[in-house]
Amino acid sequence: AQSVSQHNHHVILSEAASLELGCNYSYGGTVNLFWYVQYPGQHLQLLLKYFSGDPLVKGIKGFEAEFIKSKFSFNLRKPSVQWSDTAEYFCAVTGNNAGNMLTFGGGTRLMVKP
Amino acid sequence: KAGVTQTPRYLIKTRGQQVTLSCSPISGHRSVSWYQQTPGQGLQFLFEYFSETQRNKGNFPGRFSGRQFSNSRSEMNVSTLELGDSALYLCASSYRQAETQYFGPGTRLLVL
Repeated sequence: AQSVSQHNHHVILSEAASLELGCNYSYGGTVNLFWYVQYPGQHLQLLLKYFSGDPLVKGIKGFEAEFIKSKFSFNLRKPSVQWSDTAEYFCAVTGNNAGNMLTFGGGTRLMVKP
Repeated sequence: KAGVTQTPRYLIKTRGQQVTLSCSPISGHRSVSWYQQTPGQGLQFLFEYFSETQRNKGNFPGRFSGRQFSNSRSEMNVSTLELGDSALYLCASSYRQAETQYFGPGTRLLVL
């Protein structure tokens, strides 16, 4: 069975600090990987995705993530966070044979202090 | 292009009742999936429909069911509501299976 683990449940940073959120998954086959963000009072939005190709993917708002197959990881990074990045971040995975069944991690709540 | 829409946005029911939630996917999208979001269990997959057929089902009891219509709109039904069914129910759509899913705002269900 698929599983996704996000190591940090709560992260507090000051503006301009660098961000790295960890995500590890467990799945025996080829995977598609996603990071979604949920801003306060808003619905889940796609930040970035990895299906194949270059393991370093760039998303919206300056976010990027690196797929490291040997480590089963897909960590999210941003060099300099802003107050507006305060949100909950979810890593998700679906296997190529699992249709659209997304398995989500538990989420990481990020608070950026102005 | 309009996003995924869900109705109603908020709902209050009592134990034992049943409820039907509706989802309209992005125009042209044929796959609709449903998820339950709770503080304790996080985001959990309920089921997926593609071309009016259920393609995948999550680990939920049979009280949870769904269907998809020929215009790709989908409904999910929960019968004999329990307190633990209180949650945010999210619908997501994609053009095909194994593609990026786009989420709606959700229906917040409170069971009293």
